[in-house]
Amino acid sequence: DIQMTQSPSTLTASVGDRVTITCRASQSISTWLAWYQQKPGKAPKVLIYKASSLETGVPSRFSGSGSGTEFTLTISSLQPDDFATYYCQQYNGNSRTFGQGTKVEIK
Amino acid sequence: EVQLVESGGGLVKPGGSLRLSCAASGFTFSSYSMNWVRQAPGKGLEWVSSISSSSNYIYYAASVKGRFTISRDNPKNSLYLQMNSLRAEDTAVYYCARESARGDYWGQGTLVTVSS
Repeated sequence: DIQMTQSPSTLTASVGDRVTITCRASQSISTWLAWYQQKPGKAPKVLIYKASSLETGVPSRFSGSGSGTEFTLTISSLQPDDFATYYCQQYNGNSRTFGQGTKVEIK
Repeated sequence: EVQLVESGGGLVKPGGSLRLSCAASGFTFSSYSMNWVRQAPGKGLEWVSSISSSSNYIYYAASVKGRFTISRDNPKNSLYLQMNSLRAEDTAVYYCARESARGDYWGQGTLVTVSS
């Protein structure tokens, strides 16, 4: 099974900050990686797919990069609506695996 | 508009059974592989099972293999998860999710609580 290691688990930042979340796969997944945002009591929502493609309707301050085993999600200027938990997900092969999640909190 | 609506959750005793359903609308259900994913209270996301569009390929997480059964009824646009021999650690919100190369689209989930 492919393991996903996401860091940090918690990130404290201010509005306007640039923030980066990292996800590492235990083996190459090419670019079969998605990033999700989840708010309390809600289902996860896809932000980025195929490692770097922005989902329709998602603000351009979100961006993704990487391939193989190393991936990043960047929020260029953190907005109040962005305080949430973020998950990476690999979808290479017969199963899905998620990172442990990163909770973005207000400083 | 794509809609996935889960139902069938509730309180069940350890060792009991429950059948979850997911009603799909707004897309051609028979063209998509589907997944069940769960989230224990205050915890992260865990993939549970997947089923291909024609039910030819079915996969399970090790934690549920032999206890849970995924199935679908394409004419009824419905996905199911039969859960047997339930344990306290199966307590979670269960989401159905539509697979695609653009990431997965999720329903709002149904809560399963396993407790005596």
